[in-house]
Amino acid sequence: AQSVTQPDIHITVSEGASLELRCNYSYGATPYLFWYVQSPGQGLQLLLKYFSGDTLVQGIKGFEAEFKRSQSSFNLRKPSVHWSDAAEYFCAVVSPGYSSASKIIFGSGTRLSIRP
Amino acid sequence: ETGVTQSPTHLIKTRGQQVTLRCSSQSGHNTVSWYQQALGQGPQFIFQYYREEENGRGNFPPRFSGLQFPNYSSELNVNALELDDSALYLCASWDRVDYGYTFGSGTRLTVV
Repeated sequence: AQSVTQPDIHITVSEGASLELRCNYSYGATPYLFWYVQSPGQGLQLLLKYFSGDTLVQGIKGFEAEFKRSQSSFNLRKPSVHWSDAAEYFCAVVSPGYSSASKIIFGSGTRLSIRP
Repeated sequence: ETGVTQSPTHLIKTRGQQVTLRCSSQSGHNTVSWYQQALGQGPQFIFQYYREEENGRGNFPPRFSGLQFPNYSSELNVNALELDDSALYLCASWDRVDYGYTFGSGTRLTVV
């Protein structure tokens, strides 16, 4: 079955420290991979996405993610977090190759708190 | 027009009532998906429409239904509301040029 796993429910890091949020997927083929961020009570904002090519992708707000096929992982990183990064982060996959696009399968999310 | 717009932003309904949530997506975005996000959970796929026809459905009962219109707007209808239907409902449209889903800000539905 297709699934996305985010093993960390809640992470707290100090402001200025580095961050890595983990994401593993189970899929028949390499899907399209996404990271979204959600502030409380808000919709989802796309941080970055991976379809093919360079396995290190850059996104908005200084985030980057690395696709590792051998580990079926797509971990999100940021070298130095800011207090405004506190939010819920969702890893997601979409089945490739459909012009109409398939549904998004989301992980359960990781809540990021920032320690002053 | 850019982006995805959802209305209303908040809604309170009584158990047993019916509700219609609306979504307006960008011109050319002919795939729209609806998701339910309960408090503290990830979004769950309800259904998807492509060119005004349903082409995918998640594990939701038939009282959840939808429509997509030629002007790229869509609706989510829920009949016989239950307390567990209280959630944030998100609409997303697929940009086939940019290859990504754009989400609206959601409708917060509370069933009392």
